Amino acid sequence: SQKIEQNSEALNIQEGKTATLTCNYTNYSPAYLQWYRQDPGRGPVFLLLIRENEKEKRKERLKVTFDTTLKQSLFHITASQPADSATYLCARQASGGYNKLIFGAGTRLAVHP
Amino acid sequence: EAGVAQSPRYKIIEKRQSVAFWCNPISGHATLYWYQQILGQGPKLLIQFQNNGVVDDSQLPKDRFSAERLKGVDSTLKIQPAKLEDSAVYLCASGQGSNQPQHFGDGTRLSIL
Repeated sequence: SQKIEQNSEALNIQEGKTATLTCNYTNYSPAYLQWYRQDPGRGPVFLLLIRENEKEKRKERLKVTFDTTLKQSLFHITASQPADSATYLCARQASGGYNKLIFGAGTRLAVHP
Repeated sequence: EAGVAQSPRYKIIEKRQSVAFWCNPISGHATLYWYQQILGQGPKLLIQFQNNGVVDDSQLPKDRFSAERLKGVDSTLKIQPAKLEDSAVYLCASGQGSNQPQHFGDGTRLSIL
């Protein structure tokens, strides 16, 4: 089956440090992975999409990598700020459907001043 | 641009009662998704529409859940009768196609007593 696994433990870091979140997938490599941010009581908000043939993608302080050998994506937030505190969801493209996504359970990030 | 609108924001019902949720997607988005998000988990796709048609409902409990998309725009999701395990947040999302981000509403939080 197609699964997405994210570290269920919360990640606590100090302001200004780089946060690194891990997403591992099973089975075949998806055509793309997506990362979303979710704040309490809100719906997920899209952050980045990375395709299978892209090793790395950046957007402002965000960087995501896609390693098809390790079956893993890493999500980095540099110069983290307390406002970055949220749950970050990784999602893989799934077979069947149309732009169907399978989401991981998310990793909660807490950035402390 | 206006985001995905959902109502109601909260709903409390007793088990075996029925409930309906409404979603208005972003204008022009052909694809509409309904997700169920149980506390501590990632969103799970229930049903996906492409315009008026259903493209994936493999995880929809069809004995109690139903959904429709009227004229390829608004959508309603219904549960009848509700069970205790249906307590969750029901998220609606819309998108423009494959390899594109999904845009989520803030969901309806359903509590079953």
